[in-house]
This record gives sequence, C-alpha cells and structure tokens, in this order.
Amino acid sequence: QKEVEQNSGPLSVPEGAIASLNCTYSDRGSQSFFWYRQYSGKSPELIMFIYSNGDKEDGRFTAQLNKASQYVSLLIRDSQPSDSATYLCAVEISGGYNKLIFGAGTRLAVHP
Amino acid sequence: NAGVTQTPKFRILKIGQSMTLQCTQDMNHNYMYWYRQDPGMGLKLIYYSVGAGITDKGEVPNGYNVSRSTTEDFPLRLELAAPSQTSVYFCASSYSGTGSGEQYFGPGTRLTVT
Repeated sequence: QKEVEQNSGPLSVPEGAIASLNCTYSDRGSQSFFWYRQYSGKSPELIMFIYSNGDKEDGRFTAQLNKASQYVSLLIRDSQPSDSATYLCAVEISGGYNKLIFGAGTRLAVHP
Repeated sequence: NAGVTQTPKFRILKIGQSMTLQCTQDMNHNYMYWYRQDPGMGLKLIYYSVGAGITDKGEVPNGYNVSRSTTEDFPLRLELAAPSQTSVYFCASSYSGTGSGEQYFGPGTRLTVT
C-alpha cells in the first residue's frame, strides 16, 4: 500500500514567521512531488512541484526534497493570515499517467 | 477557458438512489480523474482515464462507475447510494505530455446520502 504521511496539525504560527510543513512517502519509485493548498470548502490548487533532490524556491515558498530519506517539505516565509489553509502533499505514483497519492493534509493557522 | 467544471454543486440522495456527477474540461487534457475527500482526509482516487474510451480503477472504485466517450467529459455514476458515499467529489484533469504533471481541479460536488 503506497502511503503519504503528514502531520494533521493544526500548525499555528505568528504572522511573519516561517511555517514548516513536512511529508513522508513510501513509494521509492516516485519521481514527482506536489504541494497543494486547499482553503476550507474549496478545491485544491497547486503551489509548488519538485522533481530533484534539494531546494526549489518560488517567492515566499520553498520546497525541499530528499529522495534517500523519502521526505518532502514546504517552507513558507513571512507567513500571512491569507496562508491559513490546509496544505496537501501529493506524490506521483510510479507507473505514469500522473496519478497522485495525497496525504491527509496539514492545517496551517497564521495568527496576527 | 472555464477549466474544469462540475455539476451539481450539492446533492442529497436517499439510500439506494442513483445519480451521475458531471465533469467537463475545456483544456484538451487527455488525463482525467475522480477523487473523493472525506472530512479531515486527503483525496482518494476513485477512477481515472487516459483518453476517450480508456478508464481504469483507482484506490476506492467500489460503488462507482465511469465512462469517457469524449475528451471533454468524464461522468461518475453512483449506483445504489450508501451513507458511506457521503463525501466531497472532485474531478481533475492534467496534461499528458512531458511537463509538471499538475492536476487542475473542479470546484467539487458535495454529496450527502441519508
């Protein structure tokens, strides 16, 4: 059974702080990793994807990947109240067709 | 571009009734997916399709059926609804060529079976 694990939270951080979200996965053959943000009652929207070991930065967001440890993380710098949402880690299943396994999500609350 | 659209937005079914959830995308994506999301949980793949006429099961296919007669449409059929099918259903599509593999999601259908 291929799995993606995340801490459910809530992760509470003050405005302006760095929020760190973590994810582990079981499928060693996975090559593509995604972070989706989901506001309450809305559909998921992609905020980052990463394929290679190391860091990938996009604005206030940094995704980190360590395939040897089967670990993906998302850092949000200068957190804003508008970042309060559930963050879903998704891993592409080896075998193609862009099929994803999602974690249960980490709820982030950024307080002023 | 409307992206991925789903109808209806909300539906209440009685146990044993059937219904079809509609999904349409206008991005000419070959790959389409149906997910369900239970409260506090991630998304579970129900069925997926890699092109017109080609469908396959995901993680949780029992109680559902799909068809794909056109590139644009990917309806999900619930037969003999059960309370365990109470969930939010999301349809998604993605580009099939080399690329990010990003999936684009519709707004969801909230289904209650009582």
